[in-house]
Amino acid sequence: DADVTQTPRNRITKTGKRIMLECSQTKGHDRMYWYRQDPGLGLRLIYYSFDVKDINKGEISDGYSVSRQAQAKFSLSLESAIPNQTALYFCATSDAGGPGETQYFGPGTRLLVL
Amino acid sequence: GENVEQHPSTLSVQEGDSAVIKCTYSDSASNYFPWYKQELGKRPQLIIDIRSNVGEKKDQRIAVTLNKTAKHFSLHITETQPEDSAVYFCAASRGDDKIIFGKGTRLHILP
Repeated sequence: DADVTQTPRNRITKTGKRIMLECSQTKGHDRMYWYRQDPGLGLRLIYYSFDVKDINKGEISDGYSVSRQAQAKFSLSLESAIPNQTALYFCATSDAGGPGETQYFGPGTRLLVL
Repeated sequence: GENVEQHPSTLSVQEGDSAVIKCTYSDSASNYFPWYKQELGKRPQLIIDIRSNVGEKKDQRIAVTLNKTAKHFSLHITETQPEDSAVYFCAASRGDDKIIFGKGTRLHILP
């Protein structure tokens, strides 16, 4: 879905480095999410934001932080990357129009921490 | 908080046969149950969903059933085709809240 974009698409970094993953959307949705995907562990929620002034921890927020710079932008930071943060990261958006709204995923960022 | 269990983790079926993936949830307040499909190298996409006020929903070859008493729901794919090969995720939500995903089922359609 070209309306949700993530940068970078691939990233290799070293242990201890700070990195930022960015997500932008043109869908006009209020709600944005960050997930990580690991083989056999599914999609686990890291942080989510229901509007610009709202930030909530998900299932696995330790070691991560986020910033909601605008309705359209939601960034995920790893302050000091460690190897077990190697994963595929997805951003997603949904409309706040009602219960059970569809989540629209970005293309993913593949992160390797050495 | 909500916990979603999904089985099996891997499923192989002969092309043309049916496939069934089952999920259970823990939060009795959950009322929205979507299913997402992720093809190899692609992003997850919604394929069907069901709300707690109905017991079954169908869309061509796919159907979802919900048993609120037992807190489980299932995805049924009939007349499977090669393009059904993918990872399928179930999820549960209270509706106007975040959704929690199961660990996924990798479905292989055998020729």
